[in-house]
Amino acid sequence: SSELTQDPAVSVALRQTVRITCQGDSLGTFYASWYQQKAGQAPVLLIYGRNNRPSGIPDRFSGSTSGNTASLTITGAQAEDEADYYCYSRDSSGNMGAFGGGTKLTVL
Amino acid sequence: EVQLVQSGAEVKKPGESLRISCKGYGYSFTNYWIVWVRQMPEKGLEWMGIVYPGDSNIRYSPSFQGRVTISADKSISTAYLQWGSLKASDSAMYFCARIVLGGRYWYFDVWGRGTLVTVSS
Repeated sequence: SSELTQDPAVSVALRQTVRITCQGDSLGTFYASWYQQKAGQAPVLLIYGRNNRPSGIPDRFSGSTSGNTASLTITGAQAEDEADYYCYSRDSSGNMGAFGGGTKLTVL
Repeated sequence: EVQLVQSGAEVKKPGESLRISCKGYGYSFTNYWIVWVRQMPEKGLEWMGIVYPGDSNIRYSPSFQGRVTISADKSISTAYLQWGSLKASDSAMYFCARIVLGGRYWYFDVWGRGTLVTVSS
């Protein structure tokens, strides 16, 4: 299966911690990657593999997986973290897979 | 600096053809797959197809097979996405991105800024 399910919207108070989840059968085999997309901009890679951050991504972003659920955690959310967040993974057969539907994060 | 530079916004009429481009800089273009991603207004990301410029190996998402054509010209480090006959429903932002292949993970590490395609009579 290639379907990845995300909550459509999540909110977090400024400087608090929030977890954004991504569920799918393929996540028991393949890691998710996570992307941040701010309004009017291209997506940006945040997390890949077990829990790897590209250069320049703040360490308040972290990733984890448990069973068929991948999670992106923001520890100490900032106002600039308000954005849409997408997960992506290969499908259960190891093919291209799909993106999750996206989660809109509001920082209160 | 590694970057993907996409062609500019396009305004077309239904039935017209179109080709948009994505040019790679700062890395060996032939060694990485490129993915094309559609984002319709206020919607999520959908991968359309991938191309390996090294040998022009191409794979399409079932959702887009037969509706678009993807190609690459390795001599000028450029990937293309084209339509033979546009529809209003093709109006969207189109991104290209570089794919990195790991064992248990694939990810898109470099993205173009997007090409906005508007199809309207």
